Amino acid sequence: DTEVTQTPKHLVMGMTNKKSLKCEQHMGHRAMYWYKQKAKKPPELMFVYSYEKLSINESVPSRFSPECPNSSLLNLHLHALQPEDSALYLCASSQGSRTGGVRTEAFFGQGTRLTVV
Amino acid sequence: AQKITQTQPGMFVQEKEAVTLDCTYDTSDPSYGLFWYKQPSSGEMIFLIYQGSYDQQNATEGRYSLNFQKARKSANLVISASQLGDSAMYFCAMRGASGGSYIPTFGRGTSLIVHP
Repeated sequence: DTEVTQTPKHLVMGMTNKKSLKCEQHMGHRAMYWYKQKAKKPPELMFVYSYEKLSINESVPSRFSPECPNSSLLNLHLHALQPEDSALYLCASSQGSRTGGVRTEAFFGQGTRLTVV
Repeated sequence: AQKITQTQPGMFVQEKEAVTLDCTYDTSDPSYGLFWYKQPSSGEMIFLIYQGSYDQQNATEGRYSLNFQKARKSANLVISASQLGDSAMYFCAMRGASGGSYIPTFGRGTSLIVHP
């Protein structure tokens, strides 16, 4: 069983909808990540939160809006998405950079399969 | 910049045989970590094994072992006694230590199919 929980597992939304993806971990990790993954491709990094502050934004369109309410939770707010945004969205967490170092593997959730219609 | 290369888009192996999945990397960081992840069709990325750049011995985790050749910058994954449940995508990844960046960089992945 994964220690990173993502909800929902599946989501179908229209292009005018607003929805949110949620991610939760209780491993005491201080770094949390959102990745987007298309079929048969590697995960693409979208955002990184380090100690609850946004540290990396990989030029993601503003229709994706991340939020980190506390050290255990990570949200991804979706608004006015396009069909090409349909993908598997993965959340991951790892020890923070202040304590972890290179031996800090990332633990992933099961992902949310998003379909934009 | 870091780069991970997996040159095998797909691999086939007979059940109970061993298989090697290739991974080469490039980095200017003196300290780095190498990881392998398994992704079954369900989507979850499962951490398999880790190798540190300063580790003297090759990492092993059960049926998984990492053939680490630092001079050649390769970190191949060896799966012994393959099982049907090993069929999945396998991603090699690395994490560097410089500049405060701890972001895993992924290779393109290798699709492994285990035949009965």
